[in-house]
Amino acid sequence: RKEVEQDPGPFNVPEGATVAFNCTYSNSASQSFFWYRQDCRKEPKLLMSVYSSGNEDGRFTAQLNRASQYISLLIRDSKLSDSATYLCVVKWSGTYKYIFGTGTRLKVLA
Amino acid sequence: NAGVTQTPKFQVLKTGQSMTLQCAQDMNHEYMSWYRQDPGMGLRLIHYSVGAGITDQGEVPNGYNVSRSTTEDFPLRLLSAAPSQTSVYFCASSSSRQGAYEQYFGPGTRLTVT
Repeated sequence: RKEVEQDPGPFNVPEGATVAFNCTYSNSASQSFFWYRQDCRKEPKLLMSVYSSGNEDGRFTAQLNRASQYISLLIRDSKLSDSATYLCVVKWSGTYKYIFGTGTRLKVLA
Repeated sequence: NAGVTQTPKFQVLKTGQSMTLQCAQDMNHEYMSWYRQDPGMGLRLIHYSVGAGITDQGEVPNGYNVSRSTTEDFPLRLLSAAPSQTSVYFCASSSSRQGAYEQYFGPGTRLTVT
């Protein structure tokens, strides 16, 4: 089993739709969780950290479920500019080891 | 702040050549790392450093060397380039200050080995 797993997609959604991605992780000692956005041939950019109580940043909401070992990202009112690959990243406790998922590709259609 | 910078942006090498990919950060982050990204795969850790003078191997260290003489710089050396090292290389930095651990990435170096 991969340490961090994501559905590769693509998720094709119309503008204005709500879309959600999940990411599962295998190491229960995982400490910190992040969502990154990566545009084609560019570097990953931090979208948001994921906190235990869940957190929201504008149209983006992230949730953490430690019992089931998954994190989620919800995007509301999708924009064309949201089209990108979304990477789930998990950091292990007591280390600087970050594990990356392979990414979920989102295409927002006009 | 420039954040994380990398040079060069693009490089073509012949098999057997050596080169150094440069990475620098101006955020006073203690942790720096090198990743490679290949199609269909997640970012894989090559080497990392938790502070000046301290480096360690990641998941795919073979064929690469690193050193960290200052907090700011973390160069990656390819000893004898092979076609399997054709990839996009990203440098990243982060800090444990305030428990954030958020990593910030440089723009990447696209390397082709022929």
